[in-house]
Amino acid sequence: GAVVSQHPSWVICKSGTSVKIECRSLDFQATTMFWYRQFPKQSLMLMATSNEGSKATYEQGVEKDKFLINHASLTLSTLTVTSAHPEDSSFYICSARIAGVSEQYFGPGTRLTVT
Amino acid sequence: GENVEQHPSTLSVQEGDSAVIKCTYSDSASNYFPWYKQELGKGPQLIIDIRSNVGEKKDQRIAVTLNKTAKHFSLHITETQPEDSAVYFCAASIGGSTLGRLYFGRGTQLTVWP
Repeated sequence: GAVVSQHPSWVICKSGTSVKIECRSLDFQATTMFWYRQFPKQSLMLMATSNEGSKATYEQGVEKDKFLINHASLTLSTLTVTSAHPEDSSFYICSARIAGVSEQYFGPGTRLTVT
Repeated sequence: GENVEQHPSTLSVQEGDSAVIKCTYSDSASNYFPWYKQELGKGPQLIIDIRSNVGEKKDQRIAVTLNKTAKHFSLHITETQPEDSAVYFCAASIGGSTLGRLYFGRGTQLTVWP
């Protein structure tokens, strides 16, 4: 149980285009989902927290107009990187949890490369 | 906010030896402490966690200890195997809260030599 999937697992896009990453909880309803960014050999950096049906809460320094997050259902959250630039290239990981439960379960990550 | 420090940043052990990774936290309100294993190119995998009402928890070859007074917790891996090689992250949070965000340590690259 507690499986989280991400799609795509890797994506290459051209500078200036937008790319959407999906995060799904496969066998539980996730009231809260988190989006992280991870650079090589570094820790996970929280970008934003999203609760189903509510606007996402972004961490300081994260551009909300650039990283659009939609948590439309209890099993799906999406992260859209708009007008991508090479510096947006990174490993993006989502996690999900059930309300009132401490455990957070992570997806396998999406490798984004912007050329 | 919470600050989690993790040591060492790298750890090399011989197969069969034990490995210990230590973390400290700053916020006394934190009450949930998970450990994650991350293999190259993959997402973190929850391997064990502990809550503040417990001092120690074991699951086969891995164990976690928590000292609330000193605000530190540790991961112990016994009888290490090459497949234990990965990056390990500790984290802290106020479990069960509305946000429940995790504060991560910087990670420990564990290498187990056969």
